[in-house]
Amino acid sequence: DIQLTQSPSSLSASVGDRVTITCRASQMISGYINWYQQKSGKAPKLLISAAFTLQSGVPSRFRGSGSGTDFTLTISNLQPEDFATYYCQQSYSSQLTFGGGTKVEI
Amino acid sequence: QVLLEQSGADLKKPGASVKVSCTASGYRFTRYVLAWVRQAPGLGLEWMGWISPYSGDTKSAEKFQGRVTMTTDTSTSTVYMELKSLKSDDTAVYYCVRPTTDTTPPSPGYAFDTWGQGTMVTVSS
Repeated sequence: DIQLTQSPSSLSASVGDRVTITCRASQMISGYINWYQQKSGKAPKLLISAAFTLQSGVPSRFRGSGSGTDFTLTISNLQPEDFATYYCQQSYSSQLTFGGGTKVEI
Repeated sequence: QVLLEQSGADLKKPGASVKVSCTASGYRFTRYVLAWVRQAPGLGLEWMGWISPYSGDTKSAEKFQGRVTMTTDTSTSTVYMELKSLKSDDTAVYYCVRPTTDTTPPSPGYAFDTWGQGTMVTVSS
């Protein structure tokens, strides 16, 4: 299976900050990485697909980048509603896997 | 709109089986595979597999092969996920999810843009 390693596992930030979350794959996965946001007690929400394609309705302060094995989710001008846990996910392989998650806290 | 409605919470004893249902609406049921993702309390997301309501084809994660059975009922637009030989670490919220692509198997790069509300399965003696 392709392993996805997210870092950091948690971070503290303030409203207005810019935060960067990294997802590293154990092998090349082209641009086949997706990013989700999950708030406490809720189902995850798809934010970004194919490394950088913002889903409809997702604010432009979310940006995805990267290719190959290294990918990044950047949140600019952090808002109160952005405090959540973020997951990357690959579907390059038929054995789909998720990263371990990054919790963004105040 | 597209909706995935799952069955309610369940409590099972170790060694038993659980069957979770997911009823889809708002789109042609046979067009997309439906998949299952679980999340143990306080932990991350884990893909379990998918089923094609059109063909009945399935693909499961290697970890669950032999223990998970996914079936479909096109007359009610419902898919089922049965997990056997339950252990305490199967305690989790189980989500039914629909991918962004309507191919079977889903084409590389697919994501999950529609999620059910989740079903809490507790395994405890």
